[in-house]
Amino acid sequence: AQSVTQLGSHVSVSEGALVLLRCNYSSSVPPYLFWYVQYPNQGLQLLLKYTSAATLVKGINGFEAEFKKSETSFHLTKPSAHMSDAAEYFCAVTPMKTSYDKVIFGPGTSLSVIP
Amino acid sequence: EAGVAQSPRYKIIEKRQSVAFWCNPISGHATLYWYQQILGQGPKLLIQFQNNGVVDDSQLPKDRFSAERLKGVDSTLKIQPAKLEDSAVYLCASSKRRDQPQHFGDGTRLSIL
Repeated sequence: AQSVTQLGSHVSVSEGALVLLRCNYSSSVPPYLFWYVQYPNQGLQLLLKYTSAATLVKGINGFEAEFKKSETSFHLTKPSAHMSDAAEYFCAVTPMKTSYDKVIFGPGTSLSVIP
Repeated sequence: EAGVAQSPRYKIIEKRQSVAFWCNPISGHATLYWYQQILGQGPKLLIQFQNNGVVDDSQLPKDRFSAERLKGVDSTLKIQPAKLEDSAVYLCASSKRRDQPQHFGDGTRLSIL
């Protein structure tokens, strides 16, 4: 069965510092992978997705993620944190290619940005 | 285009009472999802509709939860009777098709006393 783990339920970074949010997945076949962001009292927004084209995926708001098959990882990074990046981040996987269906979400990582 | 609309935004009830949530998806979106998001966890799919038919309700506690999507547009999710463990945010999402990205509403935060 597909599953997603996110190391670190809470991450704090200083404004301007590197953001690194970790995600590992388990899958018998290469899945589609996603990162979603959730701002307080709002729904989820799609940040970026991996669909087996390029292993380095660029998303919105300066975020990017790299798919590493050998490590079964899909870590999210941003070179310089901004106060507005404070939010909850979810890594997700879908077992069905060409689909956003049956998405399985990880437990989430709460990002705090310190001025 | 208008986003996914949900109401109410907040609801507080006592255990054993009933509650209903409403979702209006983006116009033209055939697929509708209801998720339960417990504090500190990722969203969990409760039920998925394709037009007005149920595609997946394997994780819906059917003894107390029910959902319908009449005419393939709006949807309601009901809990009767509510339990303390039902305290969560209930998110509605919609997509044009199952192979298209999901768009989420802002959710309904349910507190059970």
